[in-house]
Amino acid sequence: DIQMTQSPSTLSAFVRDRVTITCRASQSISTWLAWYQQKPGRAPGLLIYAASSLQSGVPSRFSGSGSGTEFTLTISSLQPDDAATYYCQHYDGHSTWTFGLGTKVEIK
Amino acid sequence: EVQLVESGGGLVRPGGSLRLSCGASGFTFSDYWMTWVRQAPGKGLQCVANIKEDGSEKYYVDSVKGRFTISRDNARNSLFLQMNTLRVEDTAVYYCARGAFGFDVWGQGTTVTVSS
Repeated sequence: DIQMTQSPSTLSAFVRDRVTITCRASQSISTWLAWYQQKPGRAPGLLIYAASSLQSGVPSRFSGSGSGTEFTLTISSLQPDDAATYYCQHYDGHSTWTFGLGTKVEIK
Repeated sequence: EVQLVESGGGLVRPGGSLRLSCGASGFTFSDYWMTWVRQAPGKGLQCVANIKEDGSEKYYVDSVKGRFTISRDNARNSLFLQMNTLRVEDTAVYYCARGAFGFDVWGQGTTVTVSS
């Protein structure tokens, strides 16, 4: 089974900082990767799909990159509303889907 | 408005059963794969099961195989999860979500607590 490793597990940054979260796959997954944001007590929301495609309605300060085994989610200018936990997810179309363990982003 | 609404959660004893439902509105339900995702208290996300648009393909995470059954009724725009032989470790918020290539619509979740 493909394992997804996210880092860091937590990060703390100032408003307007550039923030990067990394997700590594245990084997190549091409660009079959999505990123989600989840706030406490809420359902997750899709941010990025196919590694780098921005979901409709998501602010442009969010971006995704990578292919193969290494992927990044970048927040270009951190905003107070971005405090949340972020998850990467690998999907192969139907039968395999795996979330990373999450990265909690806090605002200093 | 595109919406998913789950129901059916509750408190059940180990070994018991529950049936979760998810009602869809605002989109053509029969055009989409659907998925159940769960989140144990204080933990991350785990995909439990998903089902093809016409119900002809179903997939399950290993830990629920043989105990959970996913189904759908496209005429009623509804998704179901029959959960049998429940274990304490099945305690979680259960979400239904639209899609298979990234989940773009989520319900608000329904809480399942398995405890004696």
